[in-house]
Amino acid sequence: EVQLVESGGGLVQPGGSLRLSCAASGFTFSSYWMNWVRQAPGKGLEWLANIKQDGSDKNYVDSVKGRFTISRDNAKNSLYLQMNSLRAEDTAVYYCARRQSPGWLFDYWGQGSLVTVSS
Amino acid sequence: IVMTQSPATLSVSPGERATLSCRASQSVSSNLAWYQQKPGQAPRLLIYGPSTRATDIPARFSGSGSGTEFTLTISSLQSEDFAVYYCQQYNKWPLTFGGGTKVEIK
Repeated sequence: EVQLVESGGGLVQPGGSLRLSCAASGFTFSSYWMNWVRQAPGKGLEWLANIKQDGSDKNYVDSVKGRFTISRDNAKNSLYLQMNSLRAEDTAVYYCARRQSPGWLFDYWGQGSLVTVSS
Repeated sequence: IVMTQSPATLSVSPGERATLSCRASQSVSSNLAWYQQKPGQAPRLLIYGPSTRATDIPARFSGSGSGTEFTLTISSLQSEDFAVYYCQQYNKWPLTFGGGTKVEIK
Protein backbone atom coordinates (compact mmCIF):
# COMPACT_ATOMS: atom_id res chain seq x y z
CA GLU A 1 0.00 0.00 0.00
CA VAL A 2 1.36 3.38 -1.01
CA GLN A 3 1.83 5.68 1.99
CA LEU A 4 3.16 9.20 2.27
CA VAL A 5 3.53 10.62 5.77
CA GLU A 6 4.51 14.24 6.32
CA SER A 7 6.10 15.59 9.48
CA GLY A 8 7.90 18.67 10.72
CA GLY A 9 5.12 21.23 10.69
CA GLY A 10 4.37 23.60 13.54
CA LEU A 11 4.35 27.22 14.66
CA VAL A 12 7.17 29.45 13.46
CA GLN A 13 7.73 33.19 13.63
CA PRO A 14 7.81 35.35 10.50
CA GLY A 15 11.27 35.23 9.00
CA GLY A 16 11.95 31.84 10.53
CA SER A 17 12.73 28.48 8.98
CA LEU A 18 11.22 25.03 9.04
CA ARG A 19 12.00 21.73 7.37
CA LEU A 20 9.22 19.37 6.34
CA SER A 21 9.77 15.68 5.72
CA CYS A 22 7.72 13.13 3.84
CA ALA A 23 8.34 9.44 4.45
CA ALA A 24 7.33 7.21 1.56
CA SER A 25 6.54 3.50 1.60
CA GLY A 26 4.76 0.89 -0.47
CA PHE A 27 6.36 1.83 -3.78
CA THR A 28 9.78 2.31 -5.37
CA PHE A 29 10.38 5.89 -4.23
CA SER A 30 13.43 6.38 -6.44
CA SER A 31 11.33 5.81 -9.58
CA TYR A 32 9.01 8.78 -9.15
CA TRP A 33 9.03 12.52 -9.44
CA MET A 34 7.78 13.92 -6.13
CA ASN A 35 5.96 17.16 -5.34
CA TRP A 36 4.93 19.54 -2.59
CA VAL A 37 1.47 21.13 -2.72
CA ARG A 38 -0.02 23.42 -0.08
CA GLN A 39 -3.46 24.60 0.97
CA ALA A 40 -4.00 27.73 3.01
CA PRO A 41 -6.82 27.50 5.59
CA GLY A 42 -10.18 27.43 3.80
CA LYS A 43 -8.50 28.01 0.44
CA GLY A 44 -7.60 26.07 -2.68
CA LEU A 45 -4.53 24.10 -3.68
CA GLU A 46 -1.19 25.53 -4.78
CA TRP A 47 1.56 23.45 -6.34
CA LEU A 48 4.93 24.51 -4.92
CA ALA A 49 7.78 22.39 -6.19
CA ASN A 50 8.85 19.08 -7.63
CA ILE A 51 11.99 17.02 -7.92
CA LYS A 52 13.16 14.40 -10.38
CA GLN A 53 13.85 10.81 -9.41
CA ASP A 54 17.58 11.35 -8.93
CA GLY A 55 17.29 14.91 -7.65
CA SER A 56 18.96 16.37 -10.73
CA ASP A 57 16.00 18.53 -11.79
CA LYS A 58 13.81 20.73 -9.62
CA ASN A 59 11.02 23.18 -10.38
CA TYR A 60 9.39 25.84 -8.19
CA VAL A 61 6.45 28.19 -8.32
CA ASP A 62 7.56 31.83 -8.31
CA SER A 63 6.03 32.57 -4.90
CA VAL A 64 8.53 30.29 -3.13
CA LYS A 65 11.51 30.43 -5.49
CA GLY A 66 14.64 31.42 -3.58
CA ARG A 67 13.03 30.74 -0.19
CA PHE A 68 12.06 27.06 -0.36
CA THR A 69 14.28 24.15 -1.37
CA ILE A 70 13.04 20.70 -2.29
CA SER A 71 15.32 17.70 -1.84
CA ARG A 72 15.17 13.95 -1.45
CA ASP A 73 17.11 11.03 -0.02
CA ASN A 74 16.30 7.90 -1.98
CA ALA A 75 18.22 5.71 0.47
CA LYS A 76 15.81 6.84 3.19
CA ASN A 77 12.72 6.98 0.94
CA SER A 78 12.23 10.56 2.04
CA LEU A 79 11.30 13.89 0.52
CA TYR A 80 12.06 17.23 2.15
CA LEU A 81 11.05 20.86 1.92
CA GLN A 82 13.35 23.41 3.52
CA MET A 83 11.41 26.61 4.07
CA ASN A 84 13.27 29.84 4.88
CA SER A 85 12.18 33.46 5.28
CA LEU A 86 8.68 32.34 6.16
CA ARG A 87 5.80 34.78 5.88
CA ALA A 88 2.29 34.82 7.29
CA GLU A 89 0.95 33.93 3.85
CA ASP A 90 2.92 30.67 3.96
CA THR A 91 0.52 29.41 6.63
CA ALA A 92 -1.01 26.28 5.14
CA VAL A 93 -1.27 22.53 5.20
CA TYR A 94 1.63 21.15 3.20
CA TYR A 95 1.13 17.92 1.27
CA CYS A 96 3.67 15.73 -0.44
CA ALA A 97 2.31 14.07 -3.55
CA ARG A 98 3.54 11.50 -6.03
CA ARG A 99 3.51 12.28 -9.72
CA GLN A 100 1.49 10.03 -11.97
CA SER A 101 3.07 9.96 -15.42
CA PRO A 102 2.59 10.60 -18.23
CA GLY A 103 1.43 14.08 -17.40
CA TRP A 104 1.87 16.12 -14.27
CA LEU A 105 -0.89 15.00 -11.94
CA PHE A 106 -0.84 13.53 -8.48
CA ASP A 107 -2.03 10.01 -7.75
CA TYR A 108 -1.08 9.69 -4.08
CA TRP A 109 -1.01 12.33 -1.38
CA GLY A 110 0.08 12.42 2.24
CA GLN A 111 -2.25 13.50 5.01
CA GLY A 112 -0.59 16.90 5.23
CA SER A 113 1.43 18.86 7.78
CA LEU A 114 0.23 22.20 9.13
CA VAL A 115 2.63 25.11 9.13
CA THR A 116 1.57 28.24 10.96
CA VAL A 117 3.61 31.41 10.56
CA SER A 118 2.75 33.87 13.29
CA SER A 119 4.34 35.99 15.97
CA ILE B 1 -2.72 29.66 -16.45
CA VAL B 2 -5.71 30.69 -14.33
CA MET B 3 -8.28 27.98 -13.72
CA THR B 4 -11.81 29.17 -12.90
CA GLN B 5 -14.40 26.79 -11.49
CA SER B 6 -18.12 27.31 -11.37
CA PRO B 7 -20.31 27.38 -9.49
CA ALA B 8 -18.51 27.93 -6.21
CA THR B 9 -21.20 25.92 -4.43
CA LEU B 10 -23.62 23.42 -5.90
CA SER B 11 -26.60 22.20 -3.89
CA VAL B 12 -27.81 18.82 -5.08
CA SER B 13 -30.14 16.15 -3.70
CA PRO B 14 -28.86 12.58 -3.37
CA GLY B 15 -29.53 10.65 -6.56
CA GLU B 16 -29.50 13.76 -8.73
CA ARG B 17 -26.96 14.68 -11.38
CA ALA B 18 -24.23 17.23 -10.70
CA THR B 19 -22.38 19.14 -13.39
CA LEU B 20 -19.23 21.08 -12.46
CA SER B 21 -17.36 23.42 -14.80
CA CYS B 22 -13.74 24.39 -15.11
CA ARG B 23 -12.43 27.05 -17.48
CA ALA B 24 -8.79 27.73 -18.35
CA SER B 25 -7.48 31.20 -19.22
CA GLN B 26 -5.71 29.66 -22.20
CA SER B 27 -5.79 26.29 -23.88
CA VAL B 28 -4.52 23.39 -21.80
CA SER B 29 -5.26 20.86 -24.55
CA SER B 30 -6.44 17.68 -22.79
CA ASN B 31 -4.09 18.11 -19.84
CA LEU B 32 -6.73 18.50 -17.16
CA ALA B 33 -7.36 16.54 -13.97
CA TRP B 34 -10.09 16.53 -11.33
CA TYR B 35 -9.66 15.86 -7.62
CA GLN B 36 -12.12 15.30 -4.78
CA GLN B 37 -11.37 16.54 -1.28
CA LYS B 38 -13.38 15.78 1.84
CA PRO B 39 -12.99 17.77 5.07
CA GLY B 40 -9.76 17.00 6.88
CA GLN B 41 -8.53 14.74 4.08
CA ALA B 42 -6.02 15.01 1.28
CA PRO B 43 -7.28 15.41 -2.29
CA ARG B 44 -7.97 12.24 -4.25
CA LEU B 45 -7.39 11.94 -7.99
CA LEU B 46 -10.65 11.27 -9.83
CA ILE B 47 -10.28 11.96 -13.54
CA TYR B 48 -7.50 12.97 -15.91
CA GLY B 49 -6.77 13.37 -19.59
CA PRO B 50 -9.64 14.73 -19.18
CA SER B 51 -11.97 11.74 -19.34
CA THR B 52 -9.98 8.82 -17.89
CA ARG B 53 -11.06 7.66 -14.46
CA ALA B 54 -8.32 7.00 -11.94
CA THR B 55 -8.00 3.64 -10.22
CA ASP B 56 -11.10 2.55 -8.27
CA ILE B 57 -13.15 5.61 -9.23
CA PRO B 58 -16.80 4.66 -9.82
CA ALA B 59 -18.33 4.98 -13.28
CA ARG B 60 -20.79 7.63 -12.07
CA PHE B 61 -17.91 10.11 -12.35
CA SER B 62 -17.13 11.29 -15.88
CA GLY B 63 -15.08 14.08 -17.39
CA SER B 64 -15.17 15.84 -20.72
CA GLY B 65 -13.84 18.83 -22.58
CA SER B 66 -10.69 20.11 -24.21
CA GLY B 67 -8.90 23.38 -24.78
CA THR B 68 -10.37 25.81 -22.27
CA GLU B 69 -13.71 24.30 -21.22
CA PHE B 70 -14.06 21.19 -19.08
CA THR B 71 -16.87 19.45 -17.23
CA LEU B 72 -17.02 16.94 -14.40
CA THR B 73 -20.31 15.09 -14.17
CA ILE B 74 -21.51 12.96 -11.30
CA SER B 75 -24.44 11.05 -12.71
CA SER B 76 -26.25 10.13 -9.48
CA LEU B 77 -24.91 11.67 -6.32
CA GLN B 78 -24.21 9.36 -3.43
CA SER B 79 -23.77 10.49 0.17
CA GLU B 80 -20.01 9.99 -0.05
CA ASP B 81 -19.75 12.35 -3.05
CA PHE B 82 -20.49 15.50 -1.09
CA ALA B 83 -17.12 17.19 -1.07
CA VAL B 84 -15.05 19.90 -2.74
CA TYR B 85 -13.86 19.27 -6.28
CA TYR B 86 -10.79 20.87 -7.85
CA CYS B 87 -9.58 20.94 -11.43
CA GLN B 88 -5.86 21.14 -12.24
CA GLN B 89 -4.10 21.90 -15.50
CA TYR B 90 -0.82 20.19 -16.28
CA ASN B 91 -0.19 21.65 -19.72
CA LYS B 92 2.10 24.48 -18.68
CA TRP B 93 4.29 25.45 -15.74
CA PRO B 94 3.47 26.28 -13.08
CA LEU B 95 0.84 23.63 -12.49
CA THR B 96 -2.31 25.38 -11.33
CA PHE B 97 -5.58 24.45 -9.67
CA GLY B 98 -9.02 25.96 -9.80
CA GLY B 99 -10.59 27.49 -6.71
CA GLY B 100 -12.88 24.53 -6.17
CA THR B 101 -16.59 23.71 -6.29
CA LYS B 102 -18.26 22.59 -3.10
CA VAL B 103 -21.01 20.03 -3.69
CA GLU B 104 -23.39 20.15 -0.77
CA ILE B 105 -26.57 18.36 0.16
CA LYS B 106 -29.73 20.19 -0.88
